[in-house]
Amino acid sequence: KAGVTQTPRYLIKTRGQQVTLSCSPISGHRSVSWYQQTPGQGLQFLFEYFSETQRNKGNFPGRFSGRQFSNSRSEMNVSTLELGDSALYLCASSATQGAVGEKLFFGSGTQLSVL
Amino acid sequence: AQKVTQAQTEISVVEKEDVTLDCVYETRDTTYYLFWYKQPPSGELVFLIRRNSFDEQNEISGRYSWNFQKSTSSFNFTITASQVVDSAVYFCALSELNTGGFKTIFGAGTRLFVKA
Repeated sequence: KAGVTQTPRYLIKTRGQQVTLSCSPISGHRSVSWYQQTPGQGLQFLFEYFSETQRNKGNFPGRFSGRQFSNSRSEMNVSTLELGDSALYLCASSATQGAVGEKLFFGSGTQLSVL
Repeated sequence: AQKVTQAQTEISVVEKEDVTLDCVYETRDTTYYLFWYKQPPSGELVFLIRRNSFDEQNEISGRYSWNFQKSTSSFNFTITASQVVDSAVYFCALSELNTGGFKTIFGAGTRLFVKA
């Protein structure tokens, strides 16, 4: 079974630009969560989607948005990039029920650098 | 409010030593789950262990063991006879039900160095 796939692996952007990151969950998984990882802040929860609906959102500005498609693939978008958005963005999927207590399966992440 | 605290930023041990990683959590829920994940240099977090709030029985799985104590809100993780391949960042995580779904939050992580 293929794991969680995130593309691209690396991305370099400049301030003010926007970026879209993609995540394909494990086949059959319907819940997708996104996290931002930085050396100073650790892993910060961005949002969680289940069956195309955003069920939970972390404390990030509206520049951070996401969506989930009918095939459970998810995209995350960051508009008007700032230097502080430089981070490793991790996507995780969990099994079909998307319930509390399910373990998360992570992708390798997208390393975003904002210059 | 949810919160996970890993007070140890970095730990360095010599191979074959035992090492315990500390985790303290805060939650108002009575139903929640606690996890440990490992992040090797490749970046992909890997699930290690899980415990629910109703089961305080401590277990051993191979070289891993954990100590869950609700009275002190702690969920400590021990690696016995550490190996160089155990070098990674270890995250403690808490999952509880929020309105409409669940949310898993992570501690800041503990970087473990195992020297040969």
